[in-house]
Amino acid sequence: GNSVTQMEGPVTLSEEAFLTINCTYTATGYPSLFWYVQYPGEGLQLLLKATKADDKGSNKGFEATYRKETTSFHLEKGSVQVSDSAVYFCALPDSSYKLIFGSGTRLLVRP
Amino acid sequence: EAGVTQFPSHSVIEKGQTVTLRCDPISGHDNLYWYRRVMGKEIKFLLHFVKESKQDESGMPNNRFLAERTGGTYSTLKVQPAELEDSGVYFCASSQGPRGRGANNEQFFGPGTRLTVL
Repeated sequence: GNSVTQMEGPVTLSEEAFLTINCTYTATGYPSLFWYVQYPGEGLQLLLKATKADDKGSNKGFEATYRKETTSFHLEKGSVQVSDSAVYFCALPDSSYKLIFGSGTRLLVRP
Repeated sequence: EAGVTQFPSHSVIEKGQTVTLRCDPISGHDNLYWYRRVMGKEIKFLLHFVKESKQDESGMPNNRFLAERTGGTYSTLKVQPAELEDSGVYFCASSQGPRGRGANNEQFFGPGTRLTVL
């Protein structure tokens, strides 16, 4: 079945640093890919998505490009803020509707 | 529009006790999902309702877990009796699309219920 692997955390950065959180996947076909974020005390929110190869999803300064050659969907942001501190999950659907999640990467941004 | 809500936000119980978690999906969403995250690991699918019917319960870990969705509105997830390994965060999500597929299948998540079994 489909699966996703993302880098272990926690990731600790200073404000305005560049962020990369790696995510690789194995899948049958070319499913949509997602990044979800969970801010402290809140539920999971869809951060961005890409629905086909070479698509770039973007939101709130975050970007991720669907790369089928490397089966990757790395999350990047050029300049992180303290408010970006959260747990980030890479995800994709299986052959139907279930979401398959990575283990989550906690990001801590220090002022 | 109200989002997905879950109750309680936290629950601390002793091994062997019973706990019931509740999820209220977004109004009009036929699809309701339960997921859980145990010990900081990945979030795993538990089951999927379409209206009041269980579409897929392949992720339910064992028969100590019982999910219901009477009337196709809110859902409950009961753990009886609870074991230490049941500790984790239980998420509920809902989506609009037919049978969970299609363009309207974005899943909207609730804040989760953190369950601690002592």
